[in-house]
Amino acid sequence: DTGVSQNPRHKITKRGQNVTFRCDPISEHNRLYWYRQTLGQGPEFLTYFQNEAQLEKSRLLSDRFSAERPKGSFSTLEIQRTEQGDSAMYLCASSSNGANYGYTFGSGTRLTVV
Amino acid sequence: AQTVTQSQPEMSVQEAETVTLSCTYDTSESDYYLFWYKQPPSRQMILVIRQEAYKQQNATENRFSVNFQKAAKSFSLKISDSQLGDAAMYFCAYRSLGGSQGNLIFGKGTKLSVKP
Repeated sequence: DTGVSQNPRHKITKRGQNVTFRCDPISEHNRLYWYRQTLGQGPEFLTYFQNEAQLEKSRLLSDRFSAERPKGSFSTLEIQRTEQGDSAMYLCASSSNGANYGYTFGSGTRLTVV
Repeated sequence: AQTVTQSQPEMSVQEAETVTLSCTYDTSESDYYLFWYKQPPSRQMILVIRQEAYKQQNATENRFSVNFQKAAKSFSLKISDSQLGDAAMYFCAYRSLGGSQGNLIFGKGTKLSVKP
């Protein structure tokens, strides 16, 4: 297993367009998380899944954002009608059950909205 | 709501020396986990060390150790024998054992530079 994989690494899009990011977690991890990180800030929680169930969503996750994790495997994060304020690094992480486990993060997808 | 504060935006250390990064947090919970993550310029976050709040003994991982002061809500990271590869952003993070188990709360980070 090569860790958490995120695609694409970089995405440039025009304002108003829709974008979708993909995350492939470590196969034996049943929890998957999405975070957003802007320059000079720590990551901010967006949402997380346990298997295919989306258990928690942050208030940061506006109605333009939607995340799925079909069959409890990979996950997608879609942003509709992108705005310049959506420009950020989107990080995916996975973990096993249990709060004592640290998360394994992917390298992230950098989104630039022009 | 829990918060994590890192009061040192930037720190610098000479190679082979020791440096301590500060972190304080605010919570009303008694059980939780604390973490330090490293984010090198390649941007992938790497777990450095974890501490369970119910354990009094400070966690240690090779050259990395923490000073966990539960009453003071302080969780500092000490890096001994600093190496050039330690240069990175370091984030302190809090994880609840209660309601919001999915939410790892991060501080704003400390940028560590290592001088040869």
